[in-house]
Amino acid sequence: EADIYQTPRYLVIGTGKKITLECSQTMGHDKMYWYQQDPGMELHLIHYSYGVNSTEKGDLSSESTVSRIRTEHFPLTLESARPSHTSQYLCASSGPTSPETSETQYFGPGTRLLVL
Amino acid sequence: KNQVEQSPQSLIILEGKNCTLQCNYTVSPFSNLRWYKQDTGRGPVSLTIMTFSENTKSNGRYTATLDADTKQSSLHITASQLSDSASYICVVSDRGSTLGRLYFGRGTQLTVWP
Repeated sequence: EADIYQTPRYLVIGTGKKITLECSQTMGHDKMYWYQQDPGMELHLIHYSYGVNSTEKGDLSSESTVSRIRTEHFPLTLESARPSHTSQYLCASSGPTSPETSETQYFGPGTRLLVL
Repeated sequence: KNQVEQSPQSLIILEGKNCTLQCNYTVSPFSNLRWYKQDTGRGPVSLTIMTFSENTKSNGRYTATLDADTKQSSLHITASQLSDSASYICVVSDRGSTLGRLYFGRGTQLTVWP
């Protein structure tokens, strides 16, 4: 089982609130990712990071922001939550290991966000 | 346009039966193809990974096949168990960037009944 953690697992919050979704990994991976997934739909990459102080936007436009101050930590922040942000957010990490597992992404359990 | 299409969208089988899930992709260039299992409320977990030169890979009761010429892959589950109930996601990686861009299918939702 991958050592990647997300908190909270579930969050119900009112419109306009600021929220931060936490993601931590203990595998020493350089690359980390945030995905958004709606029920029955594919995962969409919203942010990724190659390493400390590196952040990039993914394929799906998102109003969220991320930071990477430490290798193991990749939090995602929404300054003002809206109902359209209701979704599941999955964090993942990957790093150079064996050729067999090279670049395999290890996912956290996800955060289910409901904005009322 | 790079895409990954999976079929069927959902599948119900009885415990102990076998099943096969399909994945067709148009991703180019091609680096590798992975099958992930995603339990309800959890993150995806990698089952198999295959590169261009591999046409079959097994992981216990899971056997994945790859036909790089027709751009098709299948995941065969043998002697299904209740714990196999999950979404199975096909993920294709290209070689077009240092990130190793991943293209996700929408998954096949498998339900195993006792």
